[in-house]
Amino acid sequence: SYVLTQPPSVSVAPGKTARITCGGNNIGSKSVHWYQQKPGQAPVLVIYYDSDRPSGIPERFSGSNSGNTATLTISRVEAGDEADYYCQVWDSSSDRGVFGGGTKLTVL
Amino acid sequence: EVQLVESGGGLVQPGGSLRLSCAASGFTFSSYWMSWVRQAPGKGLEWVANIKQDGSEKYYVDSVKGRFTISRDNAKNSLYLQMNSLRAEDTAVYYCARGPSHQWLQLGYYFDYWGQGTLVTVSS
Repeated sequence: SYVLTQPPSVSVAPGKTARITCGGNNIGSKSVHWYQQKPGQAPVLVIYYDSDRPSGIPERFSGSNSGNTATLTISRVEAGDEADYYCQVWDSSSDRGVFGGGTKLTVL
Repeated sequence: EVQLVESGGGLVQPGGSLRLSCAASGFTFSSYWMSWVRQAPGKGLEWVANIKQDGSEKYYVDSVKGRFTISRDNAKNSLYLQMNSLRAEDTAVYYCARGPSHQWLQLGYYFDYWGQGTLVTVSS
C-alpha cells in the first residue's frame, strides 16, 4: 500500500518560513492535498491539487510537489498557525485514500 | 454555508453495531462524492470510506471491509456509516467529509468540508 511520510514535528520562530515535507514513492505523479488541524477542531483544507488555495486561506500558505517529495510552505509564520498538518493523496492503484502521519508545527 | 453534522456515536461493546449519520446542507448533496474519515484518540487521520454521487461506487480501507457499509440518501441529504462487528481499534472520532464534484477518482480526491465529528468508543 502507498505510504506518506511526514516529520513528526517542525519548529519555527514567528515571522519566519516553515516547510513541512511529505514523502512518497513518485509522489510528484499524484495530486497532494494538505490539511490543518488545531486541537479539538475538525481538519481544514489549506492546499489542494499540490498548490491551489481554497478561498479564505491566506496567501502565506503555498504548496509544491515534485519527485518523491511534496512540501507545504508557510511564510511569515504566526502564532495562530500552530497546529497539526496532514498531507493526503488518493492512491489510484489501490483505490484508497492515504494520509501522512501528521506534523506538529510549533511556533517558538 | 456548507454544513455537515454527524450523529449516532456513543459507547458500544466489542462485537456490537452502530449507525452513524451525517446531515448535509448548504450545497447540492447529490453532486458530490462523500466520505468518512476517522481519528483515534491522540492519533492521525485515517480515511475510512468513499461513496460516489449516485451511490454506484463505494471504497473502503482494508481494516473495515466486510464490517462497515457506507450509504447515502440524496433525497434526505444524508450520509450514513453502518458499523458492525466493532472492535476496540475502531474507537475514534468519525468525521463526515465532502469530496469532489467530478465523477472520476483518477482526477484526485480531497476533502474540502468536514463536520465536527462524532465519537465512537468500543469498550466492554
